[in-house]
Amino acid sequence: DADVTQTPRNRITKTGKRIMLECSQTKGHDRMYWYRQDPGLGLRLIYYSFDVKDINKGEISDGYSVSRQAQAKFSLSLESAIPNQTALYFCATSDTSPGTSSGANVLTFGAGSRLTVL
Amino acid sequence: GDSVTQMEGPVTLSEEAFLTINCTYTATGYPSLFWYVQYPGEGLQLLLKATKADDKGSNKGFEATYRKETTSFHLEKGSVQVSDSAVYFCALINTGGFKTIFGAGTRLFVKA
Repeated sequence: DADVTQTPRNRITKTGKRIMLECSQTKGHDRMYWYRQDPGLGLRLIYYSFDVKDINKGEISDGYSVSRQAQAKFSLSLESAIPNQTALYFCATSDTSPGTSSGANVLTFGAGSRLTVL
Repeated sequence: GDSVTQMEGPVTLSEEAFLTINCTYTATGYPSLFWYVQYPGEGLQLLLKATKADDKGSNKGFEATYRKETTSFHLEKGSVQVSDSAVYFCALINTGGFKTIFGAGTRLFVKA
């Protein structure tokens, strides 16, 4: 099994529908992230969580919400989907604590969830 | 704020050609630098990293050197293969930071 699993892998929905993308991990990492990938824009951070009780907005959180149900699970919701939310969504994890000087914070990514909003 | 700029693609090369993908960054302090690779239909995975000036990261024949004086972290490979066809992302994270900043990505096509 993959270290970071995302479901669904592909989803087509209509404007106004509520959508949930789920992410689970077996890495035992504390930190989890949701990114959005659009062509020519790289990856942009939507939300991140350092532990179950800690949720933070990223640079493009409007229109999205998240839930950290357990250390291993982090879901992303679109309450009312719109066409410009059509994108590839990635969940990622990392295990380096804030403020550490021990080195780089390497991300482990899921395979992605492709969402199309018609 | 912190940012990463990498060369636009796509880059198309013949097998065994030399590869360079340019990456420059803007950051306060002393960031760690990364190259991630995304193969078709997959998520990103770490290719190499460097955590301080003059460090060289290397993996799978790819190399990149952390140049603080030019704020650059260019990716190179001496002889590319068809299997290297992918999208390459340059990225940084600052010391004590938690947010990885990504460049826009450069798509590489390698022809047999």
